[in-house]
Amino acid sequence: GESVGLHLPTLSVQEGDNSIINCAYSNSASDYFIWYKQESGKGPQFIIDIRSNMDKRQGQRVTVLLNKTVKHLSLQIAATQPGDSAVYFCAESPNTGNQFYFGTGTSLTVIP
Amino acid sequence: GAGVSQSPSNKVTEKGKDVELRCDPISGHTALYWYRQSLGQGLEFLIYFQGNSAPDKSGLPSDRFSAERTGGSVSTLTIQRTQQEDSAVYLCASSLIGRGYEQFFGPGTRLTVL
Repeated sequence: GESVGLHLPTLSVQEGDNSIINCAYSNSASDYFIWYKQESGKGPQFIIDIRSNMDKRQGQRVTVLLNKTVKHLSLQIAATQPGDSAVYFCAESPNTGNQFYFGTGTSLTVIP
Repeated sequence: GAGVSQSPSNKVTEKGKDVELRCDPISGHTALYWYRQSLGQGLEFLIYFQGNSAPDKSGLPSDRFSAERTGGSVSTLTIQRTQQEDSAVYLCASSLIGRGYEQFFGPGTRLTVL
């Protein structure tokens, strides 16, 4: 399988601050990248995706940055809220429709 | 239904027994995925069904694991002769064809093998 890893297993931020979660991938042929959020006791939930022909994509309070040169992906969460506390997974795939390979995850804790 | 459902939510079994885990995908989703998540770990891909095509079984860890999808809807993951290392949360997800980046996950089945 593919190698997808995360730089930091845990991250704690103050409520209202911005959060940055990082992810490294190893397959330069990967074409699709996604971020999922998993709250305790629940299945992962899709957050945002980005294709390899893009460097940046924005959603609601979230921004994903892709640096293909160093094979690095990041998720930025603006004005982090307590409800953002969860484990965040990045995943990559060589195509759009088939299986994705998930990393270990980063546990984000938001301190009120 | 409104989302992906899985049953049972929890399953405790003895080593050596067989177990069946069920997944009901979102209506209209022809792609279905099974993953395994061990404690504190990421999602390990197991198997992928896409419409009527042959499933991608490349992630199944051993021949004790098998899965089927009947009528293009409900899927069953079967683990034969369970081992303690099979203990994990088994997650099912579904998506529209070609939109595998947007998978909708069920709540998972927590399997404990004693």
